[in-house]
Order: sequence, then structure tokens, then C-alpha cells
Amino acid sequence: EAGVTQSPTHLIKTRGQQATLRCSPISGHTSVYWYQQALGLGLQFLLWYDEGEERNRGNFPPRFSGRQFPNYSSELNVNALELEDSALYLCASSYLLGQARGEQYFGPGTRLTVT
Amino acid sequence: GQQVMQIPQYQHVQEGEDFTTYCNSSTTLSNIQWYKQRPGGHPVFLIQLVKSGEVKKQKRLTFQFGEAKKNSSLHITATQTTDVGTYFCAGPQGYSTLTFGKGTMLLVSP
Repeated sequence: EAGVTQSPTHLIKTRGQQATLRCSPISGHTSVYWYQQALGLGLQFLLWYDEGEERNRGNFPPRFSGRQFPNYSSELNVNALELEDSALYLCASSYLLGQARGEQYFGPGTRLTVT
Repeated sequence: GQQVMQIPQYQHVQEGEDFTTYCNSSTTLSNIQWYKQRPGGHPVFLIQLVKSGEVKKQKRLTFQFGEAKKNSSLHITATQTTDVGTYFCAGPQGYSTLTFGKGTMLLVSP
């Protein structure tokens, strides 16, 4: 069984540009979660999508947005990039509704560098 | 909002020594999850504890959930170099959000 996949592996952007990150969940999982892991800050919850809808978002500005497609894959968009957006962006999926109910499976992440 | 604190932030041990990381929540938790992230890798689920006072073991790893369901610990007996990584605890806010601690980074010297 294939795990959660993310692309690209690395992404280098200039301040002010837009970044698009992609995630494909494990087959059969309908929920996708996005996290930001910046150095020294642990894992910060960004967004949760389930069945094509945004179910919850963390404490991030509106320039962080995304969507989920009918095949449950997901896209994270970061507009007007700032230097502090440099981080590892992790996607996770779960077969249970809601992160708190059980195991999440994480993808390898996209390393975003903003210069 | 809910806070999940982990201590220590970092620990360096000699192979064969024991290791413990502690997780404390500002609120009562319905459950707690533990994840491990190897250097350069992604978090991998280890276990979920649900019951007050619950203790679970996975080989050399022992997980405990406090009686008040506000704290938890992970103890590794006789560490090995393969135990290197960052260990995160995570507690739910409602059912839809997980709050992660900042993790404890474990270094094991051979």
C-alpha cells in the first residue's frame, strides 16, 4: 500500500511569490491535514480537509489556503510569501474523521525556502 | 487555548542508558498520541493512550497516561542508536484538531 505522497520535495521561492504544494493521501483516506514545521516550533496545524471541504484551520493568516479534490488529493497554496514561511510542510491523512480520533499517516514533506 | 508542553527539549544519552520524556497538558485530554520523527524524516505514529492511568509497552518503550489525563510519559529502556529522533506527544482539541508538543530530541552516542 502506497503511503502519503507529497510534491515537490523542495521548493525555493522569492518573497512575495506564491507557492503550491501537493499531497496525495493513502488510498481510502478522506481526511487530509496540513502542518507547518518550522525550526524550533514543532508541528503547527494549518488546515484540515475532508470530503472536499475545509473542516478546520489553525491560527494562520488567510494567505494560507488550500483545497481538496474529488480524488481526495489536496493542494496547499501560500500567497505573498514571507521569509518566515520557510519551513517543512507536512501533509497527513487519516481514515478517521478528526485528527484526535486516531493515527495520522504523514508524508515526507515539502521543504519550502523563501529567499 | 490548550497547551501541550514537553520536557526536556533535548537529551543526549550513551547507548544502553534509559530515557524519559514528559508531556503535560493545560487541560484534560480525551486521549494522547505519540509520534517519532527521525532526523530528516517525517513523524510516524507510535501509539495512542485513551484510559486514565493506562500503561502500554512496545518492546523497550513504555507509555503512560496520567490518572488525571493531563500528563503522559514515554520511557525507553536501554537506548539504542536506532532510537535517535524527536519524540512528539499530541493532544486533541475537541475531535478535529491535534495540538503537538514541541518534541524532545534524543541523541544516542554509541
